[in-house]
Amino acid sequence: QSALTQPPSVSGSPGQSVTISCTGTSSDVGGYNYVSWYQQQPGNAPKLMIYDVNKRPSGVPDRFSGSKSGNTASLTISGLQADDEADYSCCSFAGNYTWVFGSGTKVTVL
Amino acid sequence: QLQLQESGPGLVKPSETLSLTCSVSGGSINTPNYYWGWIRQPPGKGLEWIGSIYYSGSIYYNRSLKSRVAISEDTSKNHFSLKLSSVTAADTAIYFCARHFWGGTGWFDPWGQGTLVTVSS
Repeated sequence: QSALTQPPSVSGSPGQSVTISCTGTSSDVGGYNYVSWYQQQPGNAPKLMIYDVNKRPSGVPDRFSGSKSGNTASLTISGLQADDEADYSCCSFAGNYTWVFGSGTKVTVL
Repeated sequence: QLQLQESGPGLVKPSETLSLTCSVSGGSINTPNYYWGWIRQPPGKGLEWIGSIYYSGSIYYNRSLKSRVAISEDTSKNHFSLKLSSVTAADTAIYFCARHFWGGTGWFDPWGQGTLVTVSS
């Protein structure tokens, strides 16, 4: 049960878009539409941003969007804002009643 | 508003058992379709799912930790607990508890603030 692979960091200027990838296998990301994304700002608890690959919980701006192709899920942040600077982690059901998280990505707003 | 709060010792000696409790307020742990989970994050590393428990008694664990972990619940106190035995320095981490929706899909929300547990003599 290996962690899902995410780039360690991505960056962008205010107003730009950034995309974070989350690569797994056909046993987790590719096999189920149970991918969720979490934002973690320094000192804060993780916050659910996306669930079911591309659904946003109430209160999450529509600048955040999710997608999936094959074994890779992606989180896109459009119209990047200073407040978006945080760590982002993906999570997927991995079969056999288990769940696996990604390695985490630090988003920097230049 | 549902809130979760972790509590327990911040320092545990190697080979001993780590014990944490997650107190739930603003809602009941006896809620259909909602599990209650533990997740940890070693310093500078990613999140790791430890396991989740359902009020009916179903419990599922991360296979890599299964031999050392036990999650239990106390519905009368509306809290659930984590025990991790034979700890080593590799178990040093921030430990989070979270409500885990698991019913045809799944996600973790909300989370507790987390508690840092250091394994050291």
